[in-house]
Amino acid sequence: DIQMTQSPSSLSASVGDRVTITCRASQAINNYLAWYQQKPGKVPILLIYGASTLLSGVPSRFSGSGSGSDFTLTIDSLQPEDVATYYCQKYNAAPQTFGQGTKVELK
Amino acid sequence: QVQLVQSGDELKKTGSSVTISCKASGDTFSTYVINWVRQARGHGLEWMGGIIPMFSSAHYAQEFQDRVKINADESTKTVYMDLTNLRPEDTAIYYCAGRPDGNTGWYSEFWGQGTLVTVSS
Repeated sequence: DIQMTQSPSSLSASVGDRVTITCRASQAINNYLAWYQQKPGKVPILLIYGASTLLSGVPSRFSGSGSGSDFTLTIDSLQPEDVATYYCQKYNAAPQTFGQGTKVELK
Repeated sequence: QVQLVQSGDELKKTGSSVTISCKASGDTFSTYVINWVRQARGHGLEWMGGIIPMFSSAHYAQEFQDRVKINADESTKTVYMDLTNLRPEDTAIYYCAGRPDGNTGWYSEFWGQGTLVTVSS
């Protein structure tokens, strides 16, 4: 099975900082990559699919890039409401594996 | 807007089984993809399996292959997930999640509210 590895596992940044999270697949998955945000005690929400397509209603400070096996989620100007854990997920074929998550905190 | 409504929390004994339901709204249920994702306290998201009702057959993560069964009832727009031979480490929140057009990708745009399954010895 294809493994999904996110880095870093956690990060601390200030309001207004640019934050970058990477997700690496152990094999190429084309652009079948989604990003989710999960705030503490809440249900996950979809941010991005197709590696770079922002779901309607998601703030434009979020963006995704990459193809093949290396992907990036960027938050252009971190806001307090962005404190959450972010997960990538492959969906090219079963199993639709998640990365282990990246916890984003405020400095 | 698709809504997924799950059945209530469960308290189970080691070795028993649990069935969780996920009722969907919307008109095109047969083409939905419904995934089951679980999350133990303090841990990440874990994909267990999923189904597109029109194709009937489900796909499972290998680690759950022997203990999980997912099926769909198109007449009631409900997907069921059965997990057998429960162990304390199966204690987790179980989510159903999906989207209306499973043929264009198995990512999850809509999520149920979650069902807490607690397994005690």
